[in-house]
Amino acid sequence: EVQLVETGGNLVQPGGSLRLSCVTSAFNLGSYWMTWVRQAPGKGLEWVASINKDGSEKKYVDSVKGRFTISRDNAKRSVFLQMNSLRVEDTALYYCARDPDYLDAYDLWGQGTMVTVSS
Amino acid sequence: SYELTQPPSVSVSPGQTVTITCSGDKLGGEYSSWYQRKPGQSPVLVIYQDNKRPSGIPERFSGSNSGSTVTLTISGTQAMDEGEYFCQAWDSGTVVFGGGTKLTVL
Repeated sequence: EVQLVETGGNLVQPGGSLRLSCVTSAFNLGSYWMTWVRQAPGKGLEWVASINKDGSEKKYVDSVKGRFTISRDNAKRSVFLQMNSLRVEDTALYYCARDPDYLDAYDLWGQGTMVTVSS
Repeated sequence: SYELTQPPSVSVSPGQTVTITCSGDKLGGEYSSWYQRKPGQSPVLVIYQDNKRPSGIPERFSGSNSGSTVTLTISGTQAMDEGEYFCQAWDSGTVVFGGGTKLTVL
């Protein structure tokens, strides 16, 4: 079955770190851009970061630049989001999403993993 | 920063047609997409490149782009269409989502 499964979410104190993982199944990860999108409680979706097919190009929303790092390991079918210097406002459900560049949209989403930043 | 504006909520009677709008200054120059999210579920792509439906999405879903506004139309709305809908567009290589519109089927 074609799917994305996110893990790594947890409760963490402000200033702490977390590493989210997105494990993919049943498709060639190396053929797709991949993206992290988050949704804070009671808020809309927010694009966080994207990475190109071989990991050589990365883009971030301004609010996470310098704190978050997106990466991938195509051989291990995985995409990662290293989150440092976490803030209360980073609290959200984090989704991994697949981005076929021929669609200009995200055609496959995981179930999400919850990150809570609180003291 | 670039923003996309959606109405917070809309309601429709079963079998009727409903439109959900999304406004933004740069919408005319880039493709837009729409996602449906039901409580406890992941978002599902329902429209891409302004007006194309992915495989498996019913024909009652359609989209249009008129410059600064993109519109999602659901014809013959069914109870299963209830949920939250988000528009999405591109802005200089980055991505912007609208705030979401909660659709209630009364």
